[in-house]
Amino acid sequence: EDQVTQSPEALRLQEGESSSLNCSYTVSGLRGLFWYRQDPGKGPEFLFTLYSAGEEKEKERLKATLTKKESFLHITAPKPEDSATYLCAVQAGDNYGQNFVFGPGTRLSVLP
Amino acid sequence: DTAVSQTPKYLVTQMGNDKSIKCEQNLGHDTMYWYKQDSKKFLKIMFSYNNKELIINETVPNRFSPKSPDKAHLNLHINSLELGDSAVYFCASSHINPSGETQYFGPGTRLLVL
Repeated sequence: EDQVTQSPEALRLQEGESSSLNCSYTVSGLRGLFWYRQDPGKGPEFLFTLYSAGEEKEKERLKATLTKKESFLHITAPKPEDSATYLCAVQAGDNYGQNFVFGPGTRLSVLP
Repeated sequence: DTAVSQTPKYLVTQMGNDKSIKCEQNLGHDTMYWYKQDSKKFLKIMFSYNNKELIINETVPNRFSPKSPDKAHLNLHINSLELGDSAVYFCASSHINPSGETQYFGPGTRLLVL
């Protein structure tokens, strides 16, 4: 069974204090690993898709990396507006539109 | 312009009732999804439609039925609502570009069954 875990469950950072969020997965036939940001009361907002081990993608203060078993979301010099729940998901299977499995998320709080 | 929209935003109803949630996307995407987010905030996929054909149907009760009148719409109909159906339901659509597949989520419908 495809599984996704995320750690830590919650993280509090001071503004400017860099850190990393972890997403570990076990899946057969990984097609892609996705990172989302979810603000309270809103739907997830797409951040990155990673497809192969060694791949990295960056957007502003965020950088996502992928290995064969896990992905990291690195947050450099975070600001209070980066506070949100960060969700990781894996897509498996052979066909477009196949199953997405989400992790439980990491709740990030960045204090001014 | 809202890319993925859902109605209603809130839905409070009695156990045993039948209700529908509507979803529309104006992005021209071929695939649409329904997700359920429970009280523990876990997102679980329920259905996906590609070009009006059901691709996957997770182990959800058959009281839930997706209906897609056209590529831009994927509605969710729920019969005989139960207390455990209370959750936030998200619609999403996706497409593939040179960077890979991207999903866009709607704002969610908060369902409370009393």
